[in-house]
Amino acid sequence: SQELEQSPQSLIVQEGKNLTINCTSSKTLYGLYWYKQKYGEGLIFLMMLQKGGEEKSHEKITAKLDEKKQQSSLHITASQPSHAGIYLCGADGAGTASKLTFGTGTRLQVTL
Amino acid sequence: GAGVSQSPSNKVTEKGKDVELRCDPISGHTALYWYRQSLGQGLEFLIYFQGNSAPDKSGLPSDRFSAERTGGSVSTLTIQRTQQEDSAVYLCASSLDPGPNQPQHFGDGTRLSIL
Repeated sequence: SQELEQSPQSLIVQEGKNLTINCTSSKTLYGLYWYKQKYGEGLIFLMMLQKGGEEKSHEKITAKLDEKKQQSSLHITASQPSHAGIYLCGADGAGTASKLTFGTGTRLQVTL
Repeated sequence: GAGVSQSPSNKVTEKGKDVELRCDPISGHTALYWYRQSLGQGLEFLIYFQGNSAPDKSGLPSDRFSAERTGGSVSTLTIQRTQQEDSAVYLCASSLDPGPNQPQHFGDGTRLSIL
C-alpha cells in the first residue's frame, strides 16, 4: 500500500518567515492534494497537483510536484498567524481518486 | 448546502451501543467518502460511494461497520456494538465525481467517544 511521509512533523516559525513542508510517497503519484486542518474542524482543500513539474500558487502558498522523486513541497511565504494549523498531503495512488492516502501531517505554529 | 454537513458533531456513548453518523454531501456531488481520524492511525479511508453503490469498502475495519447512501445524497455510517477502539473523529467528504481531477471536500467531522 502507498505510504506518505511528511517532514517536518512540527514546525514553529516567527511571523513573516518563510517555510517549506515536504511530502514523499513510497509509490507513484497520480495526484497530490494538500489540505489544512484546524483543531476540531474538517480538512480545508488548498491545492491539487496532477502532473510532474506542476506548480500552483494561492495567495502566499505555493505547491510543487516532482513526479520523478515522488515528492511534493508546500511553501509558505511571509507566514502569518492565520497559517497555523495541521497541513496534510493526500495522494491518489491508483489514478482514480476514489481513495486518498494521507500523510501523518505537519503541525505549524506561527509566533508573533 | 454550501459545504459537507455532518451530524452529530459530537457523540458520547457506552461500549456495546450502536451509533449512526450522518453525512450530507455538497449538492450535486456524486461521490461520497468516509474516513476515520485517530491519534495513533492518522487519517484512514473507510468506504467510498458512487451514487448509491459502494465500489470500495476496503477500509471498513470490521463487520460491525456498515454504511449506506440513499437518493445519491445523504449517507449514514453505522457502527454496531461499539468498542473503545472505535473512538475517533469520523470525517465525510464529497466530490463532484470520482475522477482524478476532482478534489474531495470535507465536513467538520463527528467526534465519537466510547466510554
